[in-house]
Amino acid sequence: GAVVSQHPSRVICKSGTSVKIECRSLDFQATTMFWYRQFPKQSLMLMATSNEGSKATYEQGVEKDKFLINHASLTLSTLTVTSAHPEDSSFYICSAREGTDNSPLHFGNGTRLTVT
Amino acid sequence: QKEVEQNSGPLSVPEGAIASLNCTYSDRGSQSFFWYRQYSGKSPELIMSIYSNGDKEDGRFTAQLNKASQYVSLLIRDSQPSDSATYLCAGGGYQKVTFGTGTKLQVIP
Repeated sequence: GAVVSQHPSRVICKSGTSVKIECRSLDFQATTMFWYRQFPKQSLMLMATSNEGSKATYEQGVEKDKFLINHASLTLSTLTVTSAHPEDSSFYICSAREGTDNSPLHFGNGTRLTVT
Repeated sequence: QKEVEQNSGPLSVPEGAIASLNCTYSDRGSQSFFWYRQYSGKSPELIMSIYSNGDKEDGRFTAQLNKASQYVSLLIRDSQPSDSATYLCAGGGYQKVTFGTGTKLQVIP
């Protein structure tokens, strides 16, 4: 149980274009989903917390107009990287929490974004 | 002070030995604690959850929690080369899970 599916796993896009990443909880309802970014050999960096039906809460330093998050249902959250630039190239990982605030996060397989 | 602290390592242990990974946290309001394993280039996967003081065992893994000392640990018995990865400690509370920066474990064959 507690499977989180993330698509696409890899994407290459040109500078200036937008990319959408989907995160789905397959067998549970996720009231809260989290989006992380990870650069090579660095730790996870929380970008934003997404609650179903409400606006995402962004961490300090994360541009909300550049990283658009939509959590339209209890099983789907999307992250759109708008006007991507090479410095946005990174590993983006979503996670979802099942049930209560004491439950663990379950991670998707991640999306490796390369902006050329 | 970071909310969840781990030694970055690398921690090197010989195959078959016990690997001991440690973590401290600063938020006394944290109610739940988790250990994740992350292989290079992959996303984290959950190994253990622990919520109350004491030990919790699952196969070769034992998580230990001491809320008075604000300390969480993970023991890996009979370490295998396939255990070589980065281990992330996390503390959870309302609407929030805070991760440490991870300890890199190397199991030497």
